[in-house]
This record gives sequence, C-alpha cells and structure tokens, in this order.
Amino acid sequence: ELKVEQNPLFLSMQEGKNYTIYCNYSTTSDRLYWYRQDPGKSLESLFVLLSNGAVKQEGRLMASLDTKARLSTLHITAAVHDLSATYFCAVEETSGSRLTFGEGTQLTVNP
Amino acid sequence: NAGVTQTPKFRVLKTGQSMTLLCAQDMNHEYMYWYRQDPGMGLRLIHYSVGEGTTAKGEVPDGYNVSRLKKQNFLLGLESAAPSQTSVYFCASRGAGQSHQPQHFGDGTRLSIL
Repeated sequence: ELKVEQNPLFLSMQEGKNYTIYCNYSTTSDRLYWYRQDPGKSLESLFVLLSNGAVKQEGRLMASLDTKARLSTLHITAAVHDLSATYFCAVEETSGSRLTFGEGTQLTVNP
Repeated sequence: NAGVTQTPKFRVLKTGQSMTLLCAQDMNHEYMYWYRQDPGMGLRLIHYSVGEGTTAKGEVPDGYNVSRLKKQNFLLGLESAAPSQTSVYFCASRGAGQSHQPQHFGDGTRLSIL
C-alpha cells in the first residue's frame, strides 16, 4: 500500500523568509503532483513531476523530485501573504490511474 | 469552460436518508474519481472509474456506491447516510494515458449528516 507523508503539517512563517515542505512516499513511483487549496475551495494544480531529478518553478515556488530517495520538496522563496494556503502532494502508483495524497501542509505567511 | 461540475454544492441529511452526488465533466476524460476530504486527513479515494461502465474501489469505499453509465457522468450514492460520512466530497477527472496532466477537480460538495 502506497503511503505519502508530508512535513511539516503546519507551517507559520514570516514574509520574506524561505522554507521547504517535504513529501515522502513509500513505494516506487516517478509521478508526483503538487496541489494548492485555499480555505473552502477546490484543489488547484501547481506542478507535475514525472521523472527523477525533475524540477519545476513557478514564481516563488519550486518543486523537485528524487525518485531514488522517494522524496519531493516544495521550496518557498521570499514568502508573501498570498502564498498562505494548504499544499498537498500526491503520488501516482506505477500501475497508473490512482493518486494517494499526503495529509497536507497548512502554510500561513505572516506580515 | 465548465471542466468538472459537482451537484449539489451543499446538502444536509438525516441519518438513514439516501442521496446521490452527481459529477459531470466536459473534457472527454476516461478516468473519474470520487474523494472525501476530512480535517487533517488529506483526500482519500472512495471509488474511481477508468471508463464508461467500469468502476473500482478506492481506499474508503464502504457505505458508498457509484455508477458510470455515461462517460461524462460519475455518480456517488449513499444508501443509508451515517454521521461518519459528514465530509467534503470532491470529484476529479483525467484523460487516459495522460500522467503528464494533473487530475482536474470540481468545487466540492459539502455534506452534513445529522
């Protein structure tokens, strides 16, 4: 059974600071997705990572995938308040079609 | 661009009542999914479908049934609602063989069972 763990689960940071969210998973996979969810809203896709060493960047967010370590990171650079949200990673089984989600990281960026 | 549409958006039920949640997508996607989201537990897969007329169990299928009679629709049924089924339900879809694309999510259905 595929297990996905995120840490930290809660993150409070100041504007302008950098931080990293970690996503570990338990079985072989080379397909990992990051989503953002604002309170009371749906999930918005941020990144799709499909191979070992994949790195994607959008604005102040950068995601990477190390399939050998079964680890993905979401790095936040110079955080701003608008980044406050819950971030989920999700891993697709190698057999395809199903995603397993992490518990989510609730990020709060304070002025 | 409708994408994935869920109906209804909110519902309150009494224990033992039944209801059906409807998910419709206009992207011609083969794969459709039903998840539930509870505080601190992320999203958990209830049932999914890889094509019209097919369904499969996910991580937490008990107490739910599904049907995929048409490619564009995926229905989630609660035959006898229980308070433990109070949750936010999300539907998602994706095209077959499109791992390079993320799953597209609906806006959710907030369901309370009293």
